Amino acid sequence: QKEVEQNSGPLSVPEGAIASLNCTYSDRGSQSFFWYRQYSGKSPELIMSIYSNGDKEDGRFTAQLNKASQYVSLLIRDSQPSDSATYLCAVNQYTGTASKLTFGTGTRLQVTL
Amino acid sequence: EAGVTQFPSHSVIEKGQTVTLRCDPISGHDNLYWYRRVMGKEIKFLLHFVKESKQDESGMPNNRFLAERTGGTYSTLKVQPAELEDSGVYFCASSRSRVGGRPPYEQYFGPGTRLTVT
Repeated sequence: QKEVEQNSGPLSVPEGAIASLNCTYSDRGSQSFFWYRQYSGKSPELIMSIYSNGDKEDGRFTAQLNKASQYVSLLIRDSQPSDSATYLCAVNQYTGTASKLTFGTGTRLQVTL
Repeated sequence: EAGVTQFPSHSVIEKGQTVTLRCDPISGHDNLYWYRRVMGKEIKFLLHFVKESKQDESGMPNNRFLAERTGGTYSTLKVQPAELEDSGVYFCASSRSRVGGRPPYEQYFGPGTRLTVT
């Protein structure tokens, strides 16, 4: 079982619709969760961070965290063609001063006109 | 504020040669990380510096890889000798220092160095 699992997609949604991206993780002790957006050939760009159960909204993006189910999701409202990218779920595992991100393989999102 | 920078953006070397990658973190970020993405796989952690000290190098593949961060500013990652399986994109990331019991701050990634070993 992978530590962080995502459906690789592609997930295709029409422009203006809601895109829902999901991620599960195996380490129950994980405390920090992140969504990165990566355009082809570019670096991961941080778009959301979430630390506690529930929803966190930032503009058109909403991150949802359910630690009991070990589940993180990202909703993108009013999807735009410019949202077409690969979305990476990352979990921070840290002990003392050491810290590292564990990534999923990413979900490719295609927003169609 | 300048972001994380990496040099070179691309490097093509032959098997057996040496390559040194450089990363300059965001100014004031004590934490510096190296990650790697090989074709078709997820991004994987290599190591973590706090200032000049290695906190976790559990992700380093083998002793052909050497990371340094002299003076706690920029970092270098040397691969010597390079093998075909070392090809991939090497990312550097940085973050601020933790305060108290707070979880680690967000990591910001550089543009990466695409390494091709032929």
